[in-house]
Amino acid sequence: GAGVSQSPSNKVTEKGKDVELRCDPISGHTALYWYRQSLGQGLEFLIYFQGNSAPDKSGLPSDRFSAERTGGSVSTLTIQRTQQEDSAVYLCASSLTRNTGELFFGEGSRLTVL
Amino acid sequence: GENVEQHPSTLSVQEGDSAVIKCTYSDSASNYFPWYKQELGKRPQLIIDIRSNVGEKKDQRIAVTLNKTAKHFSLHITETQPEDSAVYFCAASITGGFKTIFGAGTRLFVKA
Repeated sequence: GAGVSQSPSNKVTEKGKDVELRCDPISGHTALYWYRQSLGQGLEFLIYFQGNSAPDKSGLPSDRFSAERTGGSVSTLTIQRTQQEDSAVYLCASSLTRNTGELFFGEGSRLTVL
Repeated sequence: GENVEQHPSTLSVQEGDSAVIKCTYSDSASNYFPWYKQELGKRPQLIIDIRSNVGEKKDQRIAVTLNKTAKHFSLHITETQPEDSAVYFCAASITGGFKTIFGAGTRLFVKA
């Protein structure tokens, strides 16, 4: 595809349920990021994958959050036992190499926890 | 780790005036400073960036300045237009495989 693809675009779930958000980066991009954007707020760093290196998980807010990247391409962000404060837009971004700065963002997955 | 502070959080200007947004960063090793624009309901997109080996960069009505000693960088938009209305994010990172950290954003309103 031409850009970063995220799914689902919208997800409504009940408190306590688990959710999975998917990101398909631009082909050939080695770096992949997940950010969280709460309503009207900034871009909160969650996790960063770079090639085959161990991911930087320093932004994950709790052990309910996890992410994986299979085959150096598609990534899945999983939130277990969702809480209302998890409601936000989850943005995925990729960049070409470890030395290239520009991030290309997806449209985001809007999560609403009732 | 890196921390990026951004000011102001909201900025309202008259069409044709200039707008300035300022950021500071904490990690002296940071060497790449991009600015992203996010229009309402859209994804953030890169508008300009600067690397640590230069002090200023211009692209038409947009310019960015960097003061490495003070760990400050700023975005300048001249001759603002209504379509400049958006949220602007500054960011800092270390190239070579490190995460990008964003400021909290500035909501710019350009009044016609």
